[in-house]
Formats: sequence, C-alpha cells, structure tokens
Amino acid sequence: EIVLTQSPATLSLSPGERATLSCRASQSVGSYLAWYQQKPGQAPRLLIYDASNRATGIPARFSGSGSGTDFTLTISSLEPEDFAVYYCQQRANWPPGLTFGGGTKVEIK
Amino acid sequence: DVHLVQSGSELQKPGATVKISCKVSGYTFTDHYIYWVQQAPGKGLDWMGLIDPEDGEAIYSANFQGRVTITADTSTDTAYMELSSLTYDDTAVYYCATDSLTDNWFDPWGPGTLVTVSS
Repeated sequence: EIVLTQSPATLSLSPGERATLSCRASQSVGSYLAWYQQKPGQAPRLLIYDASNRATGIPARFSGSGSGTDFTLTISSLEPEDFAVYYCQQRANWPPGLTFGGGTKVEIK
Repeated sequence: DVHLVQSGSELQKPGATVKISCKVSGYTFTDHYIYWVQQAPGKGLDWMGLIDPEDGEAIYSANFQGRVTITADTSTDTAYMELSSLTYDDTAVYYCATDSLTDNWFDPWGPGTLVTVSS
C-alpha cells in the first residue's frame, strides 16, 4: 500500500499569507495525486487533480505541483474561507488501492 | 447539477450491520464509479471501496475487506454500502462520492451519513 505523509500537521498563518503544504508518497505515484479541502461539518471538496490541475470553480490562488513522490499545494494569499483541513490522495496503484494522507490543518494565527 | 443524497443518521449496536444509501441525480448513473469513504470523529479519510454501477463490480479496501459490501441499483440510481460486525471504532461519518465531474477523482461528494455504534 502506498502511504502518503502530509506535513506539517498544523500550519498557523494569517490572512493574506502564503501557505505551502507538503505531501510525500512512499513510492512514486506519477502525477496521480489530488488535493481536497474540508471545512468543519462539511464533506471534502476537490481542489487539485492530476497533481496540478484545478478542479472546476476553484480559485486561481490554489495551485499544485510535483510528481513522483513529492507534491506541494500552495495557497498564494490566504482568504478567511481557506482555513480548513487539506488532504492529499493518490490513485496510482488502483485497483485496488486509493489512499489519503493524514491531513494538514491550516488555522488562523 | 449533480446531486448525491445520502440516507439519514443511524444508531447501531455492536455486532450489528448497517446499510447506507446514496441516491444520485444529474448524470448517467452507469457512466461513473461510486466510492465510499469513512471518517471517524476528528480523524482523516479512509477509502472503503468502490463500485462500477454499469456491471456491479465492486473493489474493496483491504482495511474493510470481508466486512463491507457495496451494491448498486440501476433502476433507482442508488448505491448502497453495507458494513457488518460493527464495533465502536466504526462510529464515523460515511461519505459516498462519484467521479462524474472530474474523471477518476472524488468529485463531487455526498453530505455524509453519521453512524453511531453504541450499546
């Protein structure tokens, strides 16, 4: 099973600052990686797929990069609504495996 | 618009079986997979399995293999997830998702169904 490790676990930042979130895979997933945002009490929402493509309706301040084992989600300038938990997910070895990272919480400093 | 509507909250006893539904609309049910994801309170996301509604073939995560059964009813555009031998650790929100908006990724998601296991 491919393990995804996200860092840091918590990121404390102020609105307007840049957020950089990391996701590292235990083996190469190519570009088969996505990022999701989850706010309290809500279902997750797809932000980025295939490592660097923004999903429909996602603002341009969200960007993804990386390939192989190291990936980054960048939020260029945090808006108040961006404070949430972010998960990465891979689908490189499916079927049968689809795995999520443990999440990074972006909180207001 | 694509919509996923899930069944309501459940309270179950240890050892019981729960069955949750996910009714979809806004796209052709048989054209896209349905996925199921578990999220325990305060924890992360854990993929449980998926089904191809076109042929009914299901694939399960090793973490849930043997306890989970995913089915699809093409006459009602509804997918089901059945989880057996419930333990307290199965207390969680269960989400269905499809890949109708973005191929091969979880987009969009249903609102989730809370299952509480308590004696």
